[in-house]
Amino acid sequence: LAKTTQPISMDSYEGQEVNITCSHNNIATNDYITWYQQFPSQGPRFIIQGYKTKVTNEVASLFIPADRKSSTLSLPRVSLSDTAVYYCLVGGGMDSNYQLIWGAGTKLIIKP
Amino acid sequence: DVKVTQSSRYLVKRTGEKVFLECVQDMDHENMFWYRQDPGLGLRLIYFSYDVKMKEKGDIPEGYSVSREKKERFSLILESASTNQTSMYLCASSHPPSINYEQYFGPGTRLTVT
Repeated sequence: LAKTTQPISMDSYEGQEVNITCSHNNIATNDYITWYQQFPSQGPRFIIQGYKTKVTNEVASLFIPADRKSSTLSLPRVSLSDTAVYYCLVGGGMDSNYQLIWGAGTKLIIKP
Repeated sequence: DVKVTQSSRYLVKRTGEKVFLECVQDMDHENMFWYRQDPGLGLRLIYFSYDVKMKEKGDIPEGYSVSREKKERFSLILESASTNQTSMYLCASSHPPSINYEQYFGPGTRLTVT
């Protein structure tokens, strides 16, 4: 059964690139990796999803190595509004009985 | 604009009360989820439903039940509320085919059981 581990907190400065890594050693063959962003008093919001290699959209990139035991969310040129909690989610595949395993979240603080 | 709404933002109940949390989505999604969120534990799945009247237990179903009589509505029921059920409750919905497809979340209900 996959377990996801991510840093509790990180901080960075405006304009920097931020990389948040999630470890998921027991990821199953059919599992996808998804990242969500959550602001205070709101529900999480989908950022990006991938299965392997690299995925990029208008807000982030997701890097997944060949062994898929970790993944890295990359936020380019962050701003103060990127201060939030970021969650890694693994699972949903048939081999893991469709379970969804959420990380405990990484609190990202962006400083001016 | 897609929307998931939850009946209350804040709720205070007494131990032993029966509690209903309602969730409505307007996206015609088949999948709906109930989570609880506690500091340091992330999100934990209580129940999910992949169709009307269908439900599956998540990781922590004990002390909870659910009801889905209409596609757009998914209710979480605490049969006899206890203090350890004080938490933030989040509802979400998603479109098939996969359970891990992008989920849309409501704003959450902060439940306090005294």
